[in-house]
Amino acid sequence: NAGVMQNPRHLVRRRGQEARLRCSPMKGHSHVYWYRQLPEEGLKFMVYLQKENIIDESGMPKERFSAEFPKEGPSILRIQQVVRGDSAAYFCASSTGTDTQYFGPGTRLTVL
Amino acid sequence: GQNIDQPTEMTATEGAIVQINCTYQTSGFNGLFWYQQHAGEAPTFLSYNVLDGLEEKGRFSSFLSRSKGYSYLLLKELQMKDSASYLCAVRPFSGGYNKLIFGAGTRLAVHP
Repeated sequence: NAGVMQNPRHLVRRRGQEARLRCSPMKGHSHVYWYRQLPEEGLKFMVYLQKENIIDESGMPKERFSAEFPKEGPSILRIQQVVRGDSAAYFCASSTGTDTQYFGPGTRLTVL
Repeated sequence: GQNIDQPTEMTATEGAIVQINCTYQTSGFNGLFWYQQHAGEAPTFLSYNVLDGLEEKGRFSSFLSRSKGYSYLLLKELQMKDSASYLCAVRPFSGGYNKLIFGAGTRLAVHP
């Protein structure tokens, strides 16, 4: 039973480029969550999605960030025109609903 | 607002017992989770409390007092591999809404 999968594990972008982070939830899970973790800080909630629906995006910056979870395929977190402050580890988690969230290995984004 | 407090760092000796405290003030409460996170890795689920009292799982136990907004994680028979960050997270909402609010984490160092 494969766990939550994220790719790429490491991503390097130059300022102004776009970053696309992918997350495949655990089998049977239809709820996906994205969190950001800055160095030496805790996990900060960004967005909560179910298939084809954004349930809560209260943690997403108002500009440049977007997320989707289409009917088919992985969830995508997209960051446009990246800046140095976007450098962080981005973790995806999934659950069946009100159950425990299980985390993927994360994508470490470095913006040069 | 949402506020979750944990000590930043703790140290302990191999074979000993350590207690990591977590206090929370959230707009609602529908469960408290503890996760373990080794450096550079994904958080892994340790325990879940929604009712007052102690939940025991092997060397790890977690306690909750809802009236005091307080939880602790107890680690017994410490091993070197327990050196990690321990994250306290609260699920503030009910009704199938599974968003988690995390504390900044407690970095535990286990010494021989």
